[in-house]
Amino acid sequence: EAGVAQSPRYKIIEKRQSVAFWCNPISGHATLYWYQQILGQGPKLLIQFQNNGVVDDSQLPKDRFSAERLKGVDSTLKIQPAKLEDSAVYLCASTAGGALYEQYFGPGTRLTVT
Amino acid sequence: SQKIEQNSEALNIQEGKTATLTCNYTNYSPAYLQWYRQDPGRGPVFLLLIRENEKEKRKERLKVTFDTTLKQSLFHITASQPADSATYLCALDDSNYQLIWGAGTKLIIKP
Repeated sequence: EAGVAQSPRYKIIEKRQSVAFWCNPISGHATLYWYQQILGQGPKLLIQFQNNGVVDDSQLPKDRFSAERLKGVDSTLKIQPAKLEDSAVYLCASTAGGALYEQYFGPGTRLTVT
Repeated sequence: SQKIEQNSEALNIQEGKTATLTCNYTNYSPAYLQWYRQDPGRGPVFLLLIRENEKEKRKERLKVTFDTTLKQSLFHITASQPADSATYLCALDDSNYQLIWGAGTKLIIKP
């Protein structure tokens, strides 16, 4: 079984530029999460999708972050414009069950904003 | 306020000994608590899930306990090996059925 795929693995941009991350979850997993993990901290949920609908985006900074999951499979997360404090690892995870089942993570995208 | 606390300092353990990691929480009433392992440059990997009505869960050399009175979970690795060196994260469900994560404890197993 293929795992969660993410790209790119690394990205360096200047502040005020835009960036997009892509995630392909495990086949058949209906629930998809995007997390932000700042160095030395645990993952922080940004947005949760159930199929192609948003379940929770309460912690997503909507003035600059957006995400979509067209057709209920892969997903993209965009930041526009980026700020220095957005430097972090962006993790995508998926699960076959609901929010309380084990989550499968991709390798993450390390974003550096200069 | 709500918070999850894990030892912020690295835990150094001699190979072959038992490593015990702590996860304390306040102002949550989780139905589940999960433990994950994270290696540098990788995403977390699920290890164990324990429910509020379970006192203990085991998987090979791993054991998790969950004390809802103390609001604490302990994670044990017996017969530790250098390959067990990693950061271990605990996560619990909040009232909105989302996982809230601790910052993790870095475990170093010395040969």
